[in-house]
Amino acid sequence: QVQLQESGPGLVRPSQTLSLTCTVSGPSISRPTYYWSWIRQSAGKGLEWIGRIYSDGATNYNPSLKSRLIISRDTSNNQLSLKLSSVTASDTGVYYCARVASHYQEGSGYPVGYLDSWGQGILVTVSS
Amino acid sequence: DIQMTQSPSSLSASVGDRVTITCRASQTINTYLNWYQQKPGKAPQVLIYAASSVQSGVPSRFRGTGSGTEFTLTISSLQPEDSATYYCQQSWSTPRTFGGGTRVQIK
Repeated sequence: QVQLQESGPGLVRPSQTLSLTCTVSGPSISRPTYYWSWIRQSAGKGLEWIGRIYSDGATNYNPSLKSRLIISRDTSNNQLSLKLSSVTASDTGVYYCARVASHYQEGSGYPVGYLDSWGQGILVTVSS
Repeated sequence: DIQMTQSPSSLSASVGDRVTITCRASQTINTYLNWYQQKPGKAPQVLIYAASSVQSGVPSRFRGTGSGTEFTLTISSLQPEDSATYYCQQSWSTPRTFGGGTRVQIK
């Protein structure tokens, strides 16, 4: 059974860097069976996909955040990391890390990915 | 980006009612569509993946249908614990995108 736990500061000053860690208990994040995503939720934008990291460390980012975003991993501690620079008030929200499972469908070129386990989320407020 | 549009944005129904939520994609996404349930103060939880596959542990009253651009989540007999917000999400292309949510309330 997997458990995910986000941690980091709840308050970040504008123009600073938001840094979060997701500690994964259970399967190794290096196993190729799953990959891992960050999602955020705000009143203004609803649920927003931030990006993902695969078991080999490869990443994909939301183009709207790509210039400010780094997602990485620490395999020795089984942790994921998110760094978002030059934050503004619009980056305020609840940040989640989640595991992505893959469902293979007959006749489809690639599997359906779905977020099958989530952390509890961490509220990050950007304010001076 | 693929836009996901849910309707209605909210509904109120009685226990035992059949409830239907619709999700439309701005372009075809085959069956790369997932549904999530979120209760206040909690993270979303997957109900349906690949449009119609029910996640393990999810009650059988939840059913997903559709393909292409139009999808439906049906709750066959609404229960008090189904009071929540429901979201669709496409996994056809990046960036992944979510619908705006449908809030389901019990009368």
